[in-house]
Amino acid sequence: DAGVTQSPTHLIKTRGQQVTLRCSPISGHKSVSWYQQVLGQGPQFIFQYYEKEERGRGNFPDRFSARQFPNYSSELNVNALLLGDSALYLCASSPRSGTGELFFGEGSRLTVL
Amino acid sequence: AQSVSQHNHHVILSEAASLELGCNYSYGGTVNLFWYVQYPGQHLQLLLKYFSGDPLVKGIKGFEAEFIKSKFSFNLRKPSVQWSDTAEYFCAVFGYQKVTFGTGTKLQVIP
Repeated sequence: DAGVTQSPTHLIKTRGQQVTLRCSPISGHKSVSWYQQVLGQGPQFIFQYYEKEERGRGNFPDRFSARQFPNYSSELNVNALLLGDSALYLCASSPRSGTGELFFGEGSRLTVL
Repeated sequence: AQSVSQHNHHVILSEAASLELGCNYSYGGTVNLFWYVQYPGQHLQLLLKYFSGDPLVKGIKGFEAEFIKSKFSFNLRKPSVQWSDTAEYFCAVFGYQKVTFGTGTKLQVIP
């Protein structure tokens, strides 16, 4: 079975630009979460979606937004990029909401110059 | 808000040594607890989980963890490590509809 897939795997942007990251969950998983991981830190929670509804939001500015589609795939958008947005963005899916059991993708490495 | 504290940032062990990685959390309610592992070049994956019941839980590859409610701890243990256990280990807690991770412990096992 295919795991969580994310695209693109690597990308480089400049300050002020916008970026869209994509995630396809494991088949049958209806919950998708997004995390940001910077070097030397654990993943930081950004959003959780379940059945296309936002179920949780972390302490990130409004420049960060996300959505989940009817097929349960998800996009994370970041506007007006800052140097500090450089990080590994992880998508994780779960078979159900409310447990915290996560299945991670490989991540999208974003570099902002 | 919940938080997770991992005591060791970098641990170096020889093969066959015993391992214990410390994890303490703060959260006001019932928690689900996890250890995730990231092997070199691979993505984060679940090592073991605690939801309820027996506080001693067993995971993959001979790892186990003990939930001690009174100490707000969920330490990871393995009696005898192997070189293939070299990885970064993250303790995590689920509460308030989100998973909060610790900063991680890098384990290096020397053959």
